[in-house]
Amino acid sequence: AQKVTQAQTEISVVEKEDVTLDCVYETRDTTYYLFWYKQPPSGELVFLIRRNSFDEQNEISGRYSWNFQKSTSSFNFTITASQVVDSAVYFCALSEAQNSNSGYALNFGKGTSLLVTP
Amino acid sequence: DSGVTQTPKHLITATGQRVTLRCSPRSGDLSVYWYQQSLDQGLQFLIQYYNGEERAKGNILERFSAQQFPDLHSELNLSSLELGDSALYFCASSVEGRGREKLFFGSGTQLSVL
Repeated sequence: AQKVTQAQTEISVVEKEDVTLDCVYETRDTTYYLFWYKQPPSGELVFLIRRNSFDEQNEISGRYSWNFQKSTSSFNFTITASQVVDSAVYFCALSEAQNSNSGYALNFGKGTSLLVTP
Repeated sequence: DSGVTQTPKHLITATGQRVTLRCSPRSGDLSVYWYQQSLDQGLQFLIQYYNGEERAKGNILERFSAQQFPDLHSELNLSSLELGDSALYFCASSVEGRGREKLFFGSGTQLSVL
């Protein structure tokens, strides 16, 4: 079963528009961690943010902001005043314990491809 | 630059063959993860090692195996390759291998099976 759902496969916006990328997750754990990663055209995955299940404070970093709502199991990502350099694939991910051996797996959504045009 | 090194960057081989992908984690990181990225499956977790021991296993095929050596580098071995194994294989590392940690990803090895 898909644990992280990113319903938007592709989004295209014009520069300076705001855009929100949706992420819905599913877990039975009470302690878990949510992440967003960016994969630019160069291919390497870059960490953007981490949020633990006990901290529902929203976070803002420059033009980026994240809205975590446990009640709806969502962790949405908003880019304000988008720029061409924001064009990338964005992944939402859920980290939860895998087994009693303390193993963890970061389970990624399918990603949302964002294209920002001038 | 994440500090995670993967070699080779590209690999082209034929069906039925065996290949080895190599990963050197960031200095100080004890845990290594392997992921497979394909268009249809997305990013799939394969396996995690911590200080030489297997910690967690994901959707890794029996034809695939991995290990982490005493110097902490890791290798992913893919055998009896099939066309469907063509994908981008990522290695990532973290300090402790705990769920709260962010992962640092290498630039990946693009495997093409012809």
